[in-house]
Amino acid sequence: EVRLEQSGAEMKKPGESLKISCKASGYKFTNYWIAWVRQMPGKGLEWMGLLYPDDSETRYSPSFQGQVIISADKSLNTAYLQWHSLKASDTAMYYCARLGPEVPEYYFDYWGQGTLVTVSS
Amino acid sequence: SSELTQDPAVSVALGQTVRITCQGDSLRNYFASWYQQRPGQAPVVVIYGKNNRPSGIPDRFSASNSGNTGSLTITGAQAEDEADYYCNSRDITGNHVFFGGGTKLTVL
Repeated sequence: EVRLEQSGAEMKKPGESLKISCKASGYKFTNYWIAWVRQMPGKGLEWMGLLYPDDSETRYSPSFQGQVIISADKSLNTAYLQWHSLKASDTAMYYCARLGPEVPEYYFDYWGQGTLVTVSS
Repeated sequence: SSELTQDPAVSVALGQTVRITCQGDSLRNYFASWYQQRPGQAPVVVIYGKNNRPSGIPDRFSASNSGNTGSLTITGAQAEDEADYYCNSRDITGNHVFFGGGTKLTVL
């Protein structure tokens, strides 16, 4: 069974750093792209970036380039989303999702449960 | 701004048919994929590719495409279909992913 298990909710202050995780199981981690998706309170889904765990190739949305770092540890089957200096506007639910196979369209076939990040002074 | 445009809200009477649309230039090259998100839950893919339903998705969900518009049709809407629906696509380089702004479906 494919599973993406995300780390727990975080409460941080502005300016603090943070790294959240997404642990994959039930499939070969290095063979599938992983995405991070933001959902601000009451808002829609926003694609942040893609990472290919086998070689750590990353592709960022222009909206998030330079704002976050997406990485992975193949030995742990885990992808990460990292901030060096959080802002209140980073308050959101963050999902990891696996890019599905078989078709040229990009679709996400499995999703993590989400990690709620709250940034407040 | 979103590269894919969806109507913010749509309603349908129980048991009737509803179409949710998604417009964008990328859909001239790629089929839209569709996600259902119920309150407090992660999104779930209901249609991907031309008109593929993952295992477990009822066959009342179907998709079609014309020009720059993708459509998700629910034939015989049920109360449990009340949710937010998002489309997504990609650019031709494969470097970017787009989500529509989402459509809130109300089943009356």
